[in-house]
Amino acid sequence: SAVISQKPSRDICQRGTSLTIQCQVDSQVTMMFWYRQQPGQSLTLIATANQGSEATYESGFVIDKFPISRPNLTFSTLTVSNMSPEDSSIYLCSLRTGYDTQYFGPGTRLTVL
Amino acid sequence: KNEVEQSPQNLTAQEGEFITINCSYSVGISALHWLQQHPGGGIVSLFMLSSGKKKHGRLIATINIQEKHSSLHITASHPRDSAVYICAVIPRRSYGNKLVFGAGTILRVKS
Repeated sequence: SAVISQKPSRDICQRGTSLTIQCQVDSQVTMMFWYRQQPGQSLTLIATANQGSEATYESGFVIDKFPISRPNLTFSTLTVSNMSPEDSSIYLCSLRTGYDTQYFGPGTRLTVL
Repeated sequence: KNEVEQSPQNLTAQEGEFITINCSYSVGISALHWLQQHPGGGIVSLFMLSSGKKKHGRLIATINIQEKHSSLHITASHPRDSAVYICAVIPRRSYGNKLVFGAGTILRVKS
């Protein structure tokens, strides 16, 4: 099994500022995922973060808005830049071990005023 | 039309009732996941299925690959089962085994 922690668990931010979310895993994983869940919606994949290469972004998400770092096999960060109220969401990091189990972090609940 | 459809969207049950949540998908898949999300936002993976049936405690998940359909059953439901249940599939065409999510089923079990 894998244990994922995220920091912060929640934050309230002002429009125009940026927030960096940290994701720490207790084991080494090659591929990590960052998801967004807007209020009342299901999860949407933002990007896939592989260690040692640039993150791969899904349609509608760009690096300037959501820069991602993956400095090693147990850690990743997602930054939400120049925030607006539309960025208010739960942000989750995730990983999968083969085809077996999908692990999710506890999420970061972001409110932008 | 979404690739993954869940029903019902909302479900209220009395404690002890048998609950079924359905998931239909329109693409060929390599695997299907059932996830549970509690009000705090954290998500737990319940099952990963590629065929047949799996059971864990009071939870049972089945999948029919030919009919592109899966069900999650909860026996002897309890208020602590109240959560959002999400079906997610890995399409066969998916690069990097990316999940496609259903909209979720909001379950409330009353005591």
